[in-house]
Amino acid sequence: DGGITQSPKYLFRKEGQNVTLSCEQNLNHDAMYWYRQDPGQGLRLIYYSQIVNDFQKGDIAEGYSVSREKKESFPLTVTSAQKNPTAFYLCASSIKATGNTIYFGEGSWLTVV
Amino acid sequence: SQKIEQNSEALNIQEGKTATLTCNYTNYSPAYLQWYRQDPGRGPVFLLLIRENEKEKRKERLKVTFDTTLKQSLFHITASQPADSATYLCALLLGQNFVFGPGTRLSVLP
Repeated sequence: DGGITQSPKYLFRKEGQNVTLSCEQNLNHDAMYWYRQDPGQGLRLIYYSQIVNDFQKGDIAEGYSVSREKKESFPLTVTSAQKNPTAFYLCASSIKATGNTIYFGEGSWLTVV
Repeated sequence: SQKIEQNSEALNIQEGKTATLTCNYTNYSPAYLQWYRQDPGRGPVFLLLIRENEKEKRKERLKVTFDTTLKQSLFHITASQPADSATYLCALLLGQNFVFGPGTRLSVLP
């Protein structure tokens, strides 16, 4: 089935550790995105990528890093510099990065312990 | 500053009634607007898109209106069912990316 796969669904991180969230899509979409969702707030854009080997910072990129070495994959690393990383993280993709409909994965819960 | 508001954090209605959700924005001129449904612990799912030159869009029991003068979109679910209970998000196209509202949690009571 076509779609966006995020893993793991639940992840616990100790303070000071980096963690990487995986995102894979088989929709042949050019653009991919990472959003963060906190209770009572809308989705906030962390990073986005319009094409392989290129990505741009979103509104809240500090403390995060990404790579786009393959069209299908857009992993997100939450670094120790991110002071409040506990949140629900959503990966998404669209055909092109020009405002097309965004398709989301099922999300990953990250908790700092 | 730019801002998106959705009428209330939570809305309860009786089964069979029409649910109306509001999305208001300030300091934007979006080319179009989308509505998504999100169930607890899951990713949002696209429902409808409406462009700035369209007044109304329908899909089955769903209807969206877009008033660029009022800077407002209304999302209606007619003949609501308990299965419609979810959080509904509006999203505005700003430049190349979408900006999302905080969502309204709809509960349809049997």
